[in-house]
Amino acid sequence: GDSVTQMEGPVTLSEEAFLTINCTYTATGYPSLFWYVQYPGEGLQLLLKATKADDKGSNKGFEATYRKETTSFHLEKGSVQVSDSAVYFCALRGVYGGSQGNLIFGKGTKLSVKP
Amino acid sequence: EAQVTQNPRYLITVTGKKLTVTCSQNMNHEYMSWYRQDPGLGLRQIYYSMNVEVTDKGDVPEGYKVSRKEKRNFPLILESPSPNQTSLYFCASSFNRGGRNSPLHFGNGTRLTVT
Repeated sequence: GDSVTQMEGPVTLSEEAFLTINCTYTATGYPSLFWYVQYPGEGLQLLLKATKADDKGSNKGFEATYRKETTSFHLEKGSVQVSDSAVYFCALRGVYGGSQGNLIFGKGTKLSVKP
Repeated sequence: EAQVTQNPRYLITVTGKKLTVTCSQNMNHEYMSWYRQDPGLGLRQIYYSMNVEVTDKGDVPEGYKVSRKEKRNFPLILESPSPNQTSLYFCASSFNRGGRNSPLHFGNGTRLTVT
């Protein structure tokens, strides 16, 4: 079945450092890909998305490019801030099969940014 | 304000005592879903609903029930809670299940402890 694998955390960075959180997926066809973010004490919220190969999603300085050839959707930010400290979830929405349309999440990566 | 509202935010109960966690959305969304979040396991889907009176099992439905009598409400019912159901629960909704451009909107979570 469809699945998402993302790098395990926690990830600790200093302010203004470069961030990469790796995400790879297994799916049939062309799923839609998402990054959700969960700030402390809150629910998840959509950070960015991409719906077809080579699409780049971007929001709040974060970017991720849908790479069909490597089945990846890595999250990047050039200069992180303390306010970016959160848990980040990679997710896909499958196209085929009984669970099509349901979001499948990775296990989450906790990011802590130190001043 | 568009939102998904869950209640209660925190709940401590004892084994076997029936409980209900409510979920309501004000966005006229057709699709609603329940997830549980556990350390090291990420988010796992419990049940989902495509529309009124249409519900289906997710990945971990054992020990849970749901109902969808109205479009806006999707309560999660634990008939006989057990300690392994201690978790953080999230309700989510979106316009439709299969839409590629239909992100999930999450509630702020319910932290349940079963002793």
